[in-house]
Amino acid sequence: DGGITQSPKYLFRKEGQNVTLSCEQNLNHDAMYWYRQDPGQGLRLIYYSQIVNDFQKGDIAEGYSVSREKKESFPLTVTSAQKNPTAFYLCATRLLAGGRYEQFFGPGTRLTVL
Amino acid sequence: GENVEQHPSTLSVQEGDSAVIKCTYSDSASNYFPWYKQELGKRPQLIIDIRSNVGEKKDQRIAVTLNKTAKHFSLHITETQPEDSAVYFCAASLSIAGGYQKVTFGTGTKLQVIP
Repeated sequence: DGGITQSPKYLFRKEGQNVTLSCEQNLNHDAMYWYRQDPGQGLRLIYYSQIVNDFQKGDIAEGYSVSREKKESFPLTVTSAQKNPTAFYLCATRLLAGGRYEQFFGPGTRLTVL
Repeated sequence: GENVEQHPSTLSVQEGDSAVIKCTYSDSASNYFPWYKQELGKRPQLIIDIRSNVGEKKDQRIAVTLNKTAKHFSLHITETQPEDSAVYFCAASLSIAGGYQKVTFGTGTKLQVIP
């Protein structure tokens, strides 16, 4: 867990602006994920990536974009097309080798749209 | 797709009593079931998990049971302590192409342990 960093911790955005949330890991994990968490709801998958330069849409990808140019980094851009972006965003990683299934989470970024 | 239902949404117990949280899942191909504890404003932390070839797993005061036939699994916390107060999430995970695990989370249970 200490090997996953997310920045910033808090982010405020005006309507119509794009913002990028950072996720960095030094665990040498292959897979990285972005989840969105809203009050009273579980975690919902936005995007995931298993290898560099490849990523797939999750259940709620509309209004979001990602890139995976390096194994260590998986930034998430919240675009102006996302109608209700205020939420807690969590990045997670997973080691694919060895049949291990555990996901490890970063500390999260709380995004508020003003 | 997979659907995970979690009950209850809130649970209050007296310190020292047991707490049970139940989840059901819809896809019989799900093969991994983790439980996460999330304290207010913090990241979810894995507390216990179970694979589909196991019916029960225990770690000190925490245990998880899995009934594959009925497609439900439960978290049991015994001798609860105030520090157990948190939101608990269950999840069901399914292996799909390329080694990817698609994880579906329940909606969470807010556990309050009353001293």
